[in-house]
Amino acid sequence: KAGVTQTPRYLIKTRGQQVTLSCSPISGHRSVSWYQQTPGQGLQFLFEYFSETQRNKGNFPGRFSGRQFSNSRSEMNVSTLELGDSALYLCASSLLSGRGYEQFFGPGTRLTVL
Amino acid sequence: TQLLEQSPQFLSIQEGENLTVYCNSSSVFSSLQWYRQEPGEGPVLLVTVVTGGEVKKLKRLTFQFGDARKDSSLHITAAQPGDTGLYLCAGPEGNEKLTFGTGTRLTIIP
Repeated sequence: KAGVTQTPRYLIKTRGQQVTLSCSPISGHRSVSWYQQTPGQGLQFLFEYFSETQRNKGNFPGRFSGRQFSNSRSEMNVSTLELGDSALYLCASSLLSGRGYEQFFGPGTRLTVL
Repeated sequence: TQLLEQSPQFLSIQEGENLTVYCNSSSVFSSLQWYRQEPGEGPVLLVTVVTGGEVKKLKRLTFQFGDARKDSSLHITAAQPGDTGLYLCAGPEGNEKLTFGTGTRLTIIP
């Protein structure tokens, strides 16, 4: 079974631009979560989608948005990029098991804002 | 927001030695998960512990969930260079939202 895929793997943008990142979850997983990872702040939750609906949202400004499609694929968008948005953006799909929800991460998209 | 503090933040030891990494919180978690992340990759789930006092073994890795479900530890026996990575604990906060610990960066020196 294929794992979580994220595209692109690397991205360089300049301040003020906007960016869209894509995530394809593991087949059969309907929940997709997004995280931002930086050396200073660690892994921080952005938002989570289930069946095309946002169920949870982290403490990030409105410049960060996302959506999920009917095939469970998800995209996140960051508008008006700032230098501080440089980070590894991770997507995870979830499966409810007997031990609760377990998340499976993709390799991430490394975003650099110049 | 529930916080998970990990210690130590950095750990560098020789191959063959034993080590323990800790994950502590002032909040009770219904479960805790441990992940390992290697450079350029996403975190990989190692284990989920759900019962207070639970001990799970994964080859040379032993995971323990505290009786009060506020803390967890990861013990590695006879560390190998392949164990090098960032170890993260994580706990659910509400529905489908994971809170991650601050991380322990482990380096095993051959």
